[in-house]
Amino acid sequence: DAGVTQSPTHLIKTRGQQVTLRCSPISGHKSVSWYQQVLGQGPQFIFQYYEKEERGRGNFPDRFSARQFPNYSSELNVNALLLGDSALYLCASSFGTGEGGYTFGSGTRLTVV
Amino acid sequence: GESVGLHLPTLSVQEGDNSIINCAYSNSASDYFIWYKQESGKGPQFIIDIRSNMDKRQGQRVTVLLNKTVKHLSLQIAATQPGDSAVYFCAERPNAGNNRKLIWGLGTSLAVNP
Repeated sequence: DAGVTQSPTHLIKTRGQQVTLRCSPISGHKSVSWYQQVLGQGPQFIFQYYEKEERGRGNFPDRFSARQFPNYSSELNVNALLLGDSALYLCASSFGTGEGGYTFGSGTRLTVV
Repeated sequence: GESVGLHLPTLSVQEGDNSIINCAYSNSASDYFIWYKQESGKGPQFIIDIRSNMDKRQGQRVTVLLNKTVKHLSLQIAATQPGDSAVYFCAERPNAGNNRKLIWGLGTSLAVNP
């Protein structure tokens, strides 16, 4: 049974470029959340989607956007990349409100140069 | 503002000893707490959770204690093994509308010496 899958695993982009990260939740899970984890820190909440609707947004600039598709997979887009956007981007899926825990993928390591 | 903090950034224990990792939270409206383990290069792995209407919950070799009076959470690992070496995070979920985000602390690095 596949867990949460994220792609790509690693990515190097140049400052000013745009990037799209993808996430497939566990089969049956309807909620996807995105987190940014800077090296040495805990993850910071970016977005949560449930049943294709945005349910929450963290304190991130409008350069960050996301969407959830009918099959519950999700994309995170970041425009006009800055050096400070370099981080591990984590996707978490849950069936509903997350009782029983949120299952995380292995993340996408984004490096902006 | 809201924050979840850990008392000890690093913890070193001997194999077979018990480990205790502590966490303080500041949002009294949080109704759900989770402990995660994160190994190098991997995503966080769920360990155990607890709801705010409980003060103790046990799993396999792990116990979570919740003290709402002092807003304190702890993770106890019995008979710590080398495979337990990782960074441990506590996360809280504020009970605020439909947004079910998690607020994370900085993490505690657990090193198990053989």
